[in-house]
Amino acid sequence: LAKTTQPISMDSYEGQEVNITCSHNNIATNDYITWYQQFPSQGPRFIIQGYKTKVTNEVASLFIPADRKSSTLSLPRVSLSDTAVYYCLVVLYNQGGKLIFGQGTELSVKP
Amino acid sequence: DAGVIQSPRHEVTEMGQEVTLRCKPISGHDYLFWYRQTMMRGLELLIYFNNNVPIDDSGMPEDRFSAKMPNASFSTLKIQPSEPRDSAVYFCASSLMSSGSYTGELFFGEGSRLTVL
Repeated sequence: LAKTTQPISMDSYEGQEVNITCSHNNIATNDYITWYQQFPSQGPRFIIQGYKTKVTNEVASLFIPADRKSSTLSLPRVSLSDTAVYYCLVVLYNQGGKLIFGQGTELSVKP
Repeated sequence: DAGVIQSPRHEVTEMGQEVTLRCKPISGHDYLFWYRQTMMRGLELLIYFNNNVPIDDSGMPEDRFSAKMPNASFSTLKIQPSEPRDSAVYFCASSLMSSGSYTGELFFGEGSRLTVL
């Protein structure tokens, strides 16, 4: 089972770019990497998913090296509203897309 | 679509009482997941269904917990009897994986906050 490791917490300031790196050494060939965001009192919300190289959407970018043993979520120009917990997960494609959540990274954006 | 709908949003009950949490997944989705979140243990997967059939219930903590999905638009998670350590936020999520349309996205409901006194 692919386990993910990411920093417990990070601090940033408004307007800065934030990069959160996650390691997933045991990722399987069919598995995808996905990131979720969770605000207090809400359910997790999908941010981005990738398999390898780089993926970009309107919210974030995801960088995945060729060996796929790690990934980096990049949030451009964060604002106070980006303060949340960010989860890096490996999508167990052969198990119905099951997501096993780790502890996540608590990002605090300061003015 | 209204998204995943859970009820009740908040429930306060006394130890020993039966608790039933309900979930309506997004129409057309073929996978449904139940998660539990506490400060101590984070988000834990309890059970998930595919096309209304339970696939993996290894996360269900004990026999006091049971989950059903009688049809594609409804699922329940029942705790009987409830205990204070069951106090948590219970999330339901659904996804669509069939027909090659899977995007890796689970859609979560807003959760049911359970407090067992």
